Amino acid sequence: DVKVTQSSRYLVKRTGEKVFLECVQDMDHENMFWYRQDPGLGLRLIYFSYDVKMKEKGDIPEGYSVSREKKERFSLILESASTNQTSMYLCASTRNTEAFFGQGTRLTVV
Amino acid sequence: KQEVTQIPAALSVPEGENLVLNCSFTDSAIYNLQWFRQDPGKGLTSLLLIQSSQREQTSGRLNASLDKSSGRSTLYIAASQPGDSATYLCAVVPLYGGATNKLIFGTGTLLAVQP
Repeated sequence: DVKVTQSSRYLVKRTGEKVFLECVQDMDHENMFWYRQDPGLGLRLIYFSYDVKMKEKGDIPEGYSVSREKKERFSLILESASTNQTSMYLCASTRNTEAFFGQGTRLTVV
Repeated sequence: KQEVTQIPAALSVPEGENLVLNCSFTDSAIYNLQWFRQDPGKGLTSLLLIQSSQREQTSGRLNASLDKSSGRSTLYIAASQPGDSATYLCAVVPLYGGATNKLIFGTGTLLAVQP
């Protein structure tokens, strides 16, 4: 079974902190994605990566950056957390276009 | 620009009823369409994947159909159970979206199955 694991289920951070969300997949997938999900807005793509060290902006990249130093790991970085980044963050990886998601990280910025 | 719509936004049915969830997309040039289930506060679980050359896929009590020409997919759930209560999302991968298989999601249907 494909497994996509996000490092935390719940996080509470203070405004201005640098926040790292980690995602690991165990199936050697090339493509990995970070989405955020908010009520009424659905899932919105933040960043994606199609290979090690390769990344592209999604629809809402502002305030975020990413890192992919190893194929299995894709990190989302909030450079300076703000309250409007309070959200559910979902990581995904794809194989032959079938997508597999992690369990989600509920981030609260206070 | 591809847009994906799911109607209804919410649905409540009594246990045992058969039901249909709808997904519409504006551009028929897709690689595939995928249905997901999401429980409250959790990630997405893949239910069914339909490739663009296929018309339907089945898994247990679930059957998904795809009509690319009309831009529609349906998810049929037979003999619904309270454990089916969740949000159901559909997503398409555009044919011309580049090499990265980006998914475009609908906003979901919240299903409640009453015991």
